[in-house]
Amino acid sequence: DQQVKQNSPSLSVQEGRISILNCDYTNSMFDYFLWYKKYPAEGPTFLISISSIKDKNEDGRFTVFLNKSAKHLSLHIVPSQPGDSAVYFCAASRTLNEKLTFGTGTRLTIIP
Amino acid sequence: KAGVTQTPRYLIKTRGQQVTLSCSPISGHRSVSWYQQTPGQGLQFLFEYFSETQRNKGNFPGRFSGRQFSNSRSEMNVSTLELGDSALYLCASSPRIGTSASEQYFGPGTRLTVT
Repeated sequence: DQQVKQNSPSLSVQEGRISILNCDYTNSMFDYFLWYKKYPAEGPTFLISISSIKDKNEDGRFTVFLNKSAKHLSLHIVPSQPGDSAVYFCAASRTLNEKLTFGTGTRLTIIP
Repeated sequence: KAGVTQTPRYLIKTRGQQVTLSCSPISGHRSVSWYQQTPGQGLQFLFEYFSETQRNKGNFPGRFSGRQFSNSRSEMNVSTLELGDSALYLCASSPRIGTSASEQYFGPGTRLTVT
């Protein structure tokens, strides 16, 4: 049972445009959400997080939106740059001290 | 500060064999977590060790086991390998218990191929 779903396995976006990566979850007990970025031959690196008390968190070019009623979160990257080409994983947990449940990942390709 | 290191980086084993993977966390980090990454399943949590004790466990069969040493280094063992065990095994370290903190740092992984 995949509790965190990333339904788009891949996404291609023109450089300079907005990249929107989506993530849906089924467990209403999830309260903490993170996005990780992974380059080939490297481990995932933390990108940005959001807790359920917020609906938006921004860090530079990266913004995460959370819609708890729809059990949906999204990552916006503006403007997209070639170095953003990577696999992006969303993850969720019930508390800060519980294990993370990851999605299956979305491969983002930025076209120069 | 050196990052999380995992050895070996690549491994080829035959079905039925057993394998041991190693992870050295960032200096000062006491929590080590293990994940399995496969194309269709994403990252799946295996277990977390803190102060030499397993603190959290995912839904994997007993063939998957681990341990942590007093210097926080951790090993993961898979016995009676199956073809489906072919995956990238990632280790992550954290200064605190709990695997959801943004302070979780991943190693580059060990690519295991079972033939």
